[in-house]
Amino acid sequence: NAGVTQTPKFRVLKTGQSMTLLCAQDMNHEYMYWYRQDPGMGLRLIHYSVGEGTTAKGEVPDGYNVSRLKKQNFLLGLESAAPSQTSVYFCASGRPPGRLDTEAFFGQGTRLTVV
Amino acid sequence: KNQVEQSPQSLIILEGKNCTLQCNYTVSPFSNLRWYKQDTGRGPVSLTIMTFSENTKSNGRYTATLDADTKQSSLHITASQLSDSASYICVVRKQTGANNLFFGTGTRLTVIP
Repeated sequence: NAGVTQTPKFRVLKTGQSMTLLCAQDMNHEYMYWYRQDPGMGLRLIHYSVGEGTTAKGEVPDGYNVSRLKKQNFLLGLESAAPSQTSVYFCASGRPPGRLDTEAFFGQGTRLTVV
Repeated sequence: KNQVEQSPQSLIILEGKNCTLQCNYTVSPFSNLRWYKQDTGRGPVSLTIMTFSENTKSNGRYTATLDADTKQSSLHITASQLSDSASYICVVRKQTGANNLFFGTGTRLTVIP
């Protein structure tokens, strides 16, 4: 099992450019999440999805959009990148609350630098 | 407010020594608490899960404790190894709601020879 796979692993963008981060999971999980991790801060939730075709805002959604057209994929888009979006981005997937197996599985991360 | 606080922020210990990391939380209603290990440049990986009824659980050299009354957890690492150098993140899950994971800022552990 590959688990949770993120692409790309590294990217440098110029201010104003756009890009899409792809997350794919092969565990048939209902829930998927996008987080950003900055030095000295815990992981902060950007957007999440509780199922195919549904998305919701997290703690820090501004400047990002997401789509979940297929259950196994969760895309994170930056329409106009800003230096404040320089961060490491993690995708995670898991099962809904109340299920026995509630572990969130994380991808390897995408290190994004906006110059 | 649902919060998770970890201490210390960073820790340096000699190889072979023991250490204990702390996690205090205010998340309610509580479902479970996980300790994750995050190696540099990698995603977090679960070490252990603690549910409301569990007081202690071991995973090799890692032992987690939970006091649900005081809302405190600890992660004890025995006979540390260089490979234990990583960030350890406490994650508390709430019983309800889709956005139900609350993260601590982590403890950065460095084990030196």
